[in-house]
Amino acid sequence: GAVVSQHPSWVICKSGTSVKIECRSLDFQATTMFWYRQFPKQSLMLMATSNEGSKATYEQGVEKDKFLINHASLTLSTLTVTSAHPEDSSFYICSARERGSYEQYFGPGTRLTVT
Amino acid sequence: AQSVTQPDIHITVSEGASLELRCNYSYGATPYLFWYVQSPGQGLQLLLKYFSGDTLVQGIKGFEAEFKRSQSSFNLRKPSVHWSDAAEYFCAGSRDNYGQNFVFGPGTRLSVLP
Repeated sequence: GAVVSQHPSWVICKSGTSVKIECRSLDFQATTMFWYRQFPKQSLMLMATSNEGSKATYEQGVEKDKFLINHASLTLSTLTVTSAHPEDSSFYICSARERGSYEQYFGPGTRLTVT
Repeated sequence: AQSVTQPDIHITVSEGASLELRCNYSYGATPYLFWYVQSPGQGLQLLLKYFSGDTLVQGIKGFEAEFKRSQSSFNLRKPSVHWSDAAEYFCAGSRDNYGQNFVFGPGTRLSVLP
């Protein structure tokens, strides 16, 4: 149980375009989802926290207009990178937490390459 | 501010040898602590977690960790390392008393010699 999936696992897009990454909890209801960013050989940095039906809370320094997060249902959250630039190339990982649990379950990650 | 540190960036051990990965935390209250493993290009897998109670925590794949409040440490151990244990290991802690929003340590890369 407690499986989180991400789609796509790898995406290449051109500079200036937008790309959407999906995060799904497959067998539980995720009241809270988290989005992280990981640069090569570095740790994960929390970008934002989203609660189902509410606006996401962004960490300091993360542009909310550039990284649009939607958590419209208890099983799906999306991260849209708008007007992507090469410096947005990174590994994006989501995690999900169900109501009453302190534990996060992580997705397999999405590698974004902006050319 | 709360933080999690991992003093060792890279550790190399021989297969069959014992392993200890260090993790120190800085929290104002009782922390919730976790160890994750990440293989190249993969997501994170939870090895074990500490919330309260017994300070020696058993995890998957033969790993264990000990919470030591006096040393603000949560070191990960394994008595005999396998080649498949080569990966990146992250210690993490919750940033508040509600267990939400992790703070990750910088990670320790483990290499295993045959």
